[in-house]
Amino acid sequence: EVNLLESGGGLVQPGGSLRLSCAASGFTFNKYAMSWVRQAPGKGLEWVSGMSGRGDNTHYADSVRGRFTISRDNSKNTLYLQMNSLRAEDTAVYYCAKEARAVAAPIDYWGQGTLVTVSS
Amino acid sequence: DIQMTQSPSSLSASVGDRVTITCRASQSISNYLNWYQQKPGEAPKLLISAASSLQSGVPSRFGGSGSGTDFTLTISSLQPEDFATYYCHQTYSTPPWAFGQGTKVEIK
Repeated sequence: EVNLLESGGGLVQPGGSLRLSCAASGFTFNKYAMSWVRQAPGKGLEWVSGMSGRGDNTHYADSVRGRFTISRDNSKNTLYLQMNSLRAEDTAVYYCAKEARAVAAPIDYWGQGTLVTVSS
Repeated sequence: DIQMTQSPSSLSASVGDRVTITCRASQSISNYLNWYQQKPGEAPKLLISAASSLQSGVPSRFGGSGSGTDFTLTISSLQPEDFATYYCHQTYSTPPWAFGQGTKVEIK
């Protein structure tokens, strides 16, 4: 059974940093691209960042490029999101997501999400 | 970047109604379009991939169609458990990959 467990969320002041982790199990982690998707309170879904299975390709939304860094440790089956220079508008539930190896690379599994609150 | 315009943003419908949600891409995305359902307090759930491929375990009353720039999610006979928010998501070419704004389906 696929399981994605996020951790690392919390309250941080504007300009601060936070690192999210996503522990994956139930599949061959290094074979799959992974993404982070966020959802601000009461708002829709926003794709944030993605990384290939081997970690050699990364992509970012314009809203976080230069501030957030996605990484993975395939020996630990863990995905990370380092978030720097945080802003109030980064407040959201952050979901770790597994991309299927299929046409249109759908997200077939999601974590339960971790809440990040940026506030003074 | 490719933008997705989803409509309507919300709708009210009754159990048994046929419901249609549309998603339009700012440029052709072939069939690189997925649909998700999200209920309050839960993570999204994949319903349909590649515009029309129904995921295992998803009821057959859900259907997807379209290609290029215009796509449709149809619920043929709305059930009580279908009241939720639905999102389209394009994955054409290289990221960033945009979601639609969402359609909230409410009980009439």
